[in-house]
Amino acid sequence: DQQVKQNSPSLSVQEGRISILNCDYTNSMFDYFLWYKKYPAEGPTFLISISSIKDKNEDGRFTVFLNKSAKHLSLHIVPSQPGDSAVYFCAASATGNTPLVFGKGTRLSVIA
Amino acid sequence: DAMVIQNPRYQVTQFGKPVTLSCSQTLNHNVMYWYQQKSSQAPKLLFHYYDKDFNNEADTPDNFQSRRPNTSFCFLDIRSPGLGDAAMYLCATPSEGGGASILRGYTFGSGTRLTVV
Repeated sequence: DQQVKQNSPSLSVQEGRISILNCDYTNSMFDYFLWYKKYPAEGPTFLISISSIKDKNEDGRFTVFLNKSAKHLSLHIVPSQPGDSAVYFCAASATGNTPLVFGKGTRLSVIA
Repeated sequence: DAMVIQNPRYQVTQFGKPVTLSCSQTLNHNVMYWYQQKSSQAPKLLFHYYDKDFNNEADTPDNFQSRRPNTSFCFLDIRSPGLGDAAMYLCATPSEGGGASILRGYTFGSGTRLTVV
């Protein structure tokens, strides 16, 4: 039973526009949420994170929003660039010491 | 920052022939993870170590074993690979210490793509 769900397998966005990637979770014990980016034939690379005491965290073009009551988080990329084309994974952990649980990923294609 | 190195990048093995994948990390972190990722699926945790304390996920098949001879190295042994074991195998370590530093994420290796023929 999937605890972290990314219901959109793929997303296409034009260069310069906003990309919004969504993630839902079922485990109310999750307190830490992370986004990873993965290129083909490489391991996932950490992108941005948020803890449950916040509802927003921003790092350059990347912003993560957390809605705890809805058990939903989203990653916004603005403006989107062709180099952002990759698979994006949402991950969550209940405590700092429990392993991350991942979603299935969303493949983002940014079209020039 | 931690570096995680996995060898080989690509591994082809015969059905039923034992295979070993290796991982090393440069920070001597006490925690290491092995994940399995099949195409279009979520990375799935197989094992993790806190120091020498080995934690096997409940649904990890017995066919999969792991060894950690020292802090820096970790091995994944697949005793009798089946076609269903073809996947990307990812090794990871926390980028910083425990607790809320999980917000800095894990550092993953480049992975080993296993093909079973």
